[in-house]
Amino acid sequence: QKEVEQDPGPLSVPEGAIVSLNCTYSNSAFQYFMWYRQYSRKGPELLMYTYSSGNKEDGRFTAQVDKSSKYISLFIRDSQPSDSATYLCAMIDPQGAQKLVFGQGTRLTINP
Amino acid sequence: GAVVSQHPSWVICKSGTSVKIECRSLDFQATTMFWYRQFPKQSLMLMATSNEGSKATYEQGVEKDKFLINHASLTLSTLTVTSAHPEDSSFYICSACTTTDTQYFGPGTRLTVL
Repeated sequence: QKEVEQDPGPLSVPEGAIVSLNCTYSNSAFQYFMWYRQYSRKGPELLMYTYSSGNKEDGRFTAQVDKSSKYISLFIRDSQPSDSATYLCAMIDPQGAQKLVFGQGTRLTINP
Repeated sequence: GAVVSQHPSWVICKSGTSVKIECRSLDFQATTMFWYRQFPKQSLMLMATSNEGSKATYEQGVEKDKFLINHASLTLSTLTVTSAHPEDSSFYICSACTTTDTQYFGPGTRLTVL
């Protein structure tokens, strides 16, 4: 079993829809949770960074963490074609020397 | 936000030659940098952790003599692929770590070995 599970998709939705991306994890020691967006042939771009359980909002993006269920989500409101990319969840194990543990990434396409 | 650059962005080389990739943190100092490789439609695979002033720590299965890492300063780390072969063709990405343990990634370097 992988430490972080993420549905690879692909996920295709119409423009304007609300998108929900999710990851589950097995290691309760994970404390820092991130979402990265990666366009084709580019490096990942940090979208959201959270530490505690609850919601964090930034524009059209909301990151949600539920440590009791070991479940994190990223919501995208009013999705745009420019949001089409691969979304990677990532977590840090405090005992892992700052290493990130990634999910497999979800390929998202927003159709105009 | 923090900016990380990589150079070159794309390199083609002949089999048997060595290739050096630079990773720079442009507006912050990074005591720790990471090197990843990524194959098409796959997630990032950590190759090594690079700490300024000390030897890199390699992940299991990564040949340290083939992938030489030098973290010469708080803003520069280099990855040299020695005696490159076609199977080394991949997308190499570095990241630099801020004081809050946030990793910012470079744009990546596409290596093609003929």
